[in-house]
Amino acid sequence: AQKVTQAQTEISVVEKEDVTLDCVYETRDTTYYLFWYKQPPSGELVFLIRRNSFDEQNEISGRYSWNFQKSTSSFNFTITASQVVDSAVYFCALSEFGQGAQKLVFGQGTRLTINP
Amino acid sequence: DVKVTQSSRYLVKRTGEKVFLECVQDMDHENMFWYRQDPGLGLRLIYFSYDVKMKEKGDIPEGYSVSREKKERFSLILESASTNQTSMYLCASRLTLGGYTFGSGTRLTVV
Repeated sequence: AQKVTQAQTEISVVEKEDVTLDCVYETRDTTYYLFWYKQPPSGELVFLIRRNSFDEQNEISGRYSWNFQKSTSSFNFTITASQVVDSAVYFCALSEFGQGAQKLVFGQGTRLTINP
Repeated sequence: DVKVTQSSRYLVKRTGEKVFLECVQDMDHENMFWYRQDPGLGLRLIYFSYDVKMKEKGDIPEGYSVSREKKERFSLILESASTNQTSMYLCASRLTLGGYTFGSGTRLTVV
């Protein structure tokens, strides 16, 4: 069975600090997708990134970066120079690799608060 | 942009009522999903559908049913609402090989 664990329930930092959100996953599949979503107070889930399992290159997008390590089954998310607008709940998720109705399996979420 | 619209943002229903949560997507996606979100548990899949009139149980289908009569609409039905179904409900759709797009959610309170 697939499982995603986000051990950090809540994180609170001061603006401009760097912060890393941890994500550890379990799957028996050899190919799969990993995702990060952001849920601001308005409630909708905002897509941040999708990685497939055969691409272990780290990715950077502005202040956001992702570190995928297959050896440790981790897909961690770092925000550099955090801003108050980064405050949200962040979810890591996993899905099978395929063309159909592959369901997303979510972690418990990490509530990130950036204080001014 | 793909849009997934959930008909109600907030809903208050009484125990025992039959409740319909509606979800509509505007981009001809084959796959649609219903999740519920609870603090500390993340999002859990209730039901999903990969085509009109086709449905599959997710991880927590008990107490729920679904309907997909048209491709763009996926309804979640609580046959007899109970207080333990108070939650945030999120609908999502997905094009084959595409990303998942979520609606804004319906916060349901059963009293």
